[in-house]
Amino acid sequence: DTEVTQTPKHLVMGMTNKKSLKCEQHMGHRAMYWYKQKAKKPPELMFVYSYEKLSINESVPSRFSPECPNSSLLNLHLHALQPEDSALYLCASSQVGGYLLGANVLTFGAGSRLTVL
Amino acid sequence: DAKTTQPTSMDCAEGRAANLPCNHSTISGNEYVYWYRQIHSQGPQYIIHGLKNNETNEMASLIITEDRKSSTLILPHATLRDTAVYYCIVRVANNAGNMLTFGGGTRLMVKP
Repeated sequence: DTEVTQTPKHLVMGMTNKKSLKCEQHMGHRAMYWYKQKAKKPPELMFVYSYEKLSINESVPSRFSPECPNSSLLNLHLHALQPEDSALYLCASSQVGGYLLGANVLTFGAGSRLTVL
Repeated sequence: DAKTTQPTSMDCAEGRAANLPCNHSTISGNEYVYWYRQIHSQGPQYIIHGLKNNETNEMASLIITEDRKSSTLILPHATLRDTAVYYCIVRVANNAGNMLTFGGGTRLMVKP
């Protein structure tokens, strides 16, 4: 299995809703990432998990709450979002451990397109 | 991480080679050059990476200048499916959380 699977593909939510995005991989990768991408812009890093522990938080507002329950799963919990949070949310995974083990070779999912009304 | 500079857009005729340049004049000795692409409405896809030697795989070739201040990604026979945004990223490879920072990229349009 060489894929990163993201669900749902599309999500519409109101500003008072609570929802979650889910990401799953079975490649044995121990680093997982969340990126946010606005239209016609490059992806922006939000969070990095390494060995199921949060290693990087790029000053993301607390209305976004990541969770890594095990080495195959990554969730992004959403609460009290704003319309400007509407974007494509991309999950990725990679090996950890330097160049020879494929560090920085990320496998991305197709993304979850979020619309906040 | 070293900053990269890429042209905003390029056109290429189908079947011809697409040569995508990237400048990274402040690259450090332990930084690698990575190339990704993003086809419309899909997640980015890894293409190739290298340190100082030229590299080739089934998707593309990567040519890095001797001073490592620039590189060129070559798609030898571009097809319409190669139309995408191509990102050149320079990054060290280490054990810590590997964060890839995407710049603006080059929007490649392959035309029939």
